[in-house]
Amino acid sequence: GAVVSQHPSWVICKSGTSVKIECRSLDFQATTMFWYRQFPKQSLMLMATSNEGSKATYEQGVEKDKFLINHASLTLSTLTVTSAHPEDSSFYICSARDATSGIGDTGELFFGEGSRLTVL
Amino acid sequence: SQQGEEDPQALSIQEGENATMNCSYKTSINNLQWYRQNSGRGLVHLILIRSNEREKHSGRLRVTLDTSKKSSSLLITASRAADTASYFCARGYSTLTFGKGTMLLVSP
Repeated sequence: GAVVSQHPSWVICKSGTSVKIECRSLDFQATTMFWYRQFPKQSLMLMATSNEGSKATYEQGVEKDKFLINHASLTLSTLTVTSAHPEDSSFYICSARDATSGIGDTGELFFGEGSRLTVL
Repeated sequence: SQQGEEDPQALSIQEGENATMNCSYKTSINNLQWYRQNSGRGLVHLILIRSNEREKHSGRLRVTLDTSKKSSSLLITASRAADTASYFCARGYSTLTFGKGTMLLVSP
């Protein structure tokens, strides 16, 4: 099946620094990618929808200046957590939609393995 | 909240037993999906059931959907220790809204 790669899988950083997480679709083109955040033992909360070549659409309550999303190509979206603080520590998961395969007519969705961010 | 509710929140069973997890939702759906997440890992798609379907099977998995009750259930038969994971239902078409999940522990 299709593979979505996230990098890094875990990162520890100091408070105030910025961290970039990459999400790559390895064998398909993804016009749309999604970024989720997950706290321990909780569900996934959608942060933003990233469309190739355009600005991301953020969910209510998600600071766009805090969580910068760039989707510059059909295979890569990045999430940058700017000026990270301990409360930003979380598990971030991306997913990518393969527009050529089928769940209905919106393309099958594949998830990355997640990136665990710890801010000290 | 648009989130669905899964119950139970946690389920502990012995290998060989069946595990049933339920998901309820509030708004109408086109389809409902079930995902599995091993601890600290990404999500794996298990099965999708459309709103006009009542039951679907995939290996040891059986999913039912009752749109009149706005609920779905996931049954894992003859469970194995390797089935230990969190299971989420998800609604949506363009974007997914996940339920709170059920943590399943299957003991050898």
